[in-house]
Amino acid sequence: NAGVTQTPKFQVLKTGQSMTLQCAQDMNHNSMYWYRQDPGMGLRLIYYSASEGTTDKGEVPNGYNVSRLNKREFSLRLESAAPSQTSVYFCASSEVSGGGSYEQYFGPGTRLTVT
Amino acid sequence: AQSVTQLGSHVSVSEGALVLLRCNYSSSVPPYLFWYVQYPNQGLQLLLKYTSAATLVKGINGFEAEFKKSETSFHLTKPSAHMSDAAEYFCAVSALSGSARQLTFGSGTQLTVLP
Repeated sequence: NAGVTQTPKFQVLKTGQSMTLQCAQDMNHNSMYWYRQDPGMGLRLIYYSASEGTTDKGEVPNGYNVSRLNKREFSLRLESAAPSQTSVYFCASSEVSGGGSYEQYFGPGTRLTVT
Repeated sequence: AQSVTQLGSHVSVSEGALVLLRCNYSSSVPPYLFWYVQYPNQGLQLLLKYTSAATLVKGINGFEAEFKKSETSFHLTKPSAHMSDAAEYFCAVSALSGSARQLTFGSGTQLTVLP
């Protein structure tokens, strides 16, 4: 049981390049989330998917797109990377069904640098 | 809308001393509240959660937190700090948005434990 996995762990991009961050969970959770973490700002929600087939914007969606490929996988795409997108990206999942306490389980993160 | 304020971005304590990390929240509905811990270069790990049962919540590694509705607080405590407690701690509040539970995080408190 690996929980939430993310690839890659590290990435360096040049301005204007594109890339996709991958996330998978093996806990059969319905909801998945993408956050970015910047010093002194906590975690900010980029996009989330309440269930397979749905996605919604979070607090800071500009410059990103997401795909909920199936129940297990939720990817984050940067179409044209900018230095302001240098950050640590975390994927998380949770169960929202009745009786759940809704805590989110986090992956180990992807450290992205855009030069 | 909900928000979280963590007082003190950096807290230092001596080994064996009391740890007190402060968290105040605002929420228009009864909240679910969480404390997460992040060790260097790792993802977030759940320490404890409040989900409207007992107001004093016990978590892992000897931490506990008390929900005080009148003060809109959920402070994290540990009677005796250990060197291994050095990490960043995040308070979060959860509210239902559409069909998903979103977490709103505080900006984090970096805990240093002095020998």
